[in-house]
Amino acid sequence: DTGVSQDPRHKITKRGQNVTFRCDPISEHNRLYWYRQTLGQGPEFLTYFQNEAQLEKSRLLSDRFSAERPKGSFSTLEIQRTEQGDSAMYLCASSLFSTQETQYFGPGTRLLVL
Amino acid sequence: AQKITQTQPGMFVQEKEAVTLDCTYDTSDPSYGLFWYKQPSSGEMIFLIYQGSYDQQNATEGRYSLNFQKARKSANLVISASQLGDSAMYFCAMRFNYGGSQGNLIFGKGTKLSVKP
Repeated sequence: DTGVSQDPRHKITKRGQNVTFRCDPISEHNRLYWYRQTLGQGPEFLTYFQNEAQLEKSRLLSDRFSAERPKGSFSTLEIQRTEQGDSAMYLCASSLFSTQETQYFGPGTRLLVL
Repeated sequence: AQKITQTQPGMFVQEKEAVTLDCTYDTSDPSYGLFWYKQPSSGEMIFLIYQGSYDQQNATEGRYSLNFQKARKSANLVISASQLGDSAMYFCAMRFNYGGSQGNLIFGKGTKLSVKP
């Protein structure tokens, strides 16, 4: 399977714990995006990378959130000191930068903070 | 402000019939792309169809077509010959080609489509 993969698919944690999610994009894609989706809403943009450079961060991305893409391949999203409001689906997408750029999404990581 | 509006929270359609899902958008940028994604209960967002703001013809992909009316700022998705497997959430999204938010998608709230046998 050469699509976008995410790990883990599900994560249950206690409030105050740190969690880390991983995303592996489609191999030839140079852009990688993170989105967050809460129940009944469309995905909301968090941040994106072009190669290893983080080019934009949403105001939704508080200082408890950090994302990396160290070698321009896979990416990690870490949430420190989780809060119940962080419970959501975290979606990763990748694309090849172009005028008709299309983002392809992974299966997502469902986070539940107790 | 850039915004995507999907006014139909839920829709029902009979199997084998066609259905139109509405999407309107608000932007003053001249260059943008419009997308539709399908999200089954499993959660993965599946790309369906793309329309560029300068494209002269409506996009089509198999049973999916996009009814693009630029002056009205609408980009409705038409699904022909509905199948049971089409039951899912459908999201309209927009991406700007220039400016501060270049690249990321802005999504609507979605429409839940249910196909009846």
